[in-house]
Amino acid sequence: DAGVTQSPTHLIKTRGQQVTLRCSPISGHKSVSWYQQVLGQGPQFIFQYYEKEERGRGNFPDRFSARQFPNYSSELNVNALLLGDSALYLCASSGLQGVDEQYFGPGTRLTVT
Amino acid sequence: GQQLNQSPQSMFIQEGEDVSMNCTSSSIFNTWLWYKQDPGEGPVLLIALYKAGELTSNGRLTAQFGITRKDSFLNISASIPSDVGIYFCAGQLGAGGTSYGKLTFGQGTILTVHP
Repeated sequence: DAGVTQSPTHLIKTRGQQVTLRCSPISGHKSVSWYQQVLGQGPQFIFQYYEKEERGRGNFPDRFSARQFPNYSSELNVNALLLGDSALYLCASSGLQGVDEQYFGPGTRLTVT
Repeated sequence: GQQLNQSPQSMFIQEGEDVSMNCTSSSIFNTWLWYKQDPGEGPVLLIALYKAGELTSNGRLTAQFGITRKDSFLNISASIPSDVGIYFCAGQLGAGGTSYGKLTFGQGTILTVHP
């Protein structure tokens, strides 16, 4: 069975640009969460979506937004990129809203120059 | 952002030795999870704990959900070279408010196993 997939694998952007990251959850999973992982730290929660609605939000600025599609895939958008946005962006899926066994994808490595 | 206190930060052990690491928090969690992350990859779920006092095993791995709900422990027995990686604990408060679905992670324990 396919796990969580993310695209692209790597991305290089310039300060001020906008970026869109994509995630496909495990088949049958309806919940998608996004995390940011800076080098040397644990992942930090950004959003959770369930049934196309935002159900949880972490302490990130409004430059970060996301959405979930009818097929439960999701996109994370980051506007007006800053150098500090350079990180590994992880997507995790889970079967039900609030179920805590979140399964992570390989991540998208974003570098902002 | 808030993180759990995970210790030790790193461990250097010989193959065959047992390993212990733990996580503590000032907040109560309803769920504790343990993940392993290899360089350049996403975290892989090892064990999930749902009840205070629960002790769960997955092969050579054993984890416990602390009675106070503020801590958790992971033990690895008879370590092998492929155990090398970064181990993270993660806790979830549970339903309600904007923290719904939020996992709070520790800083990670870097494990090195010498053959």
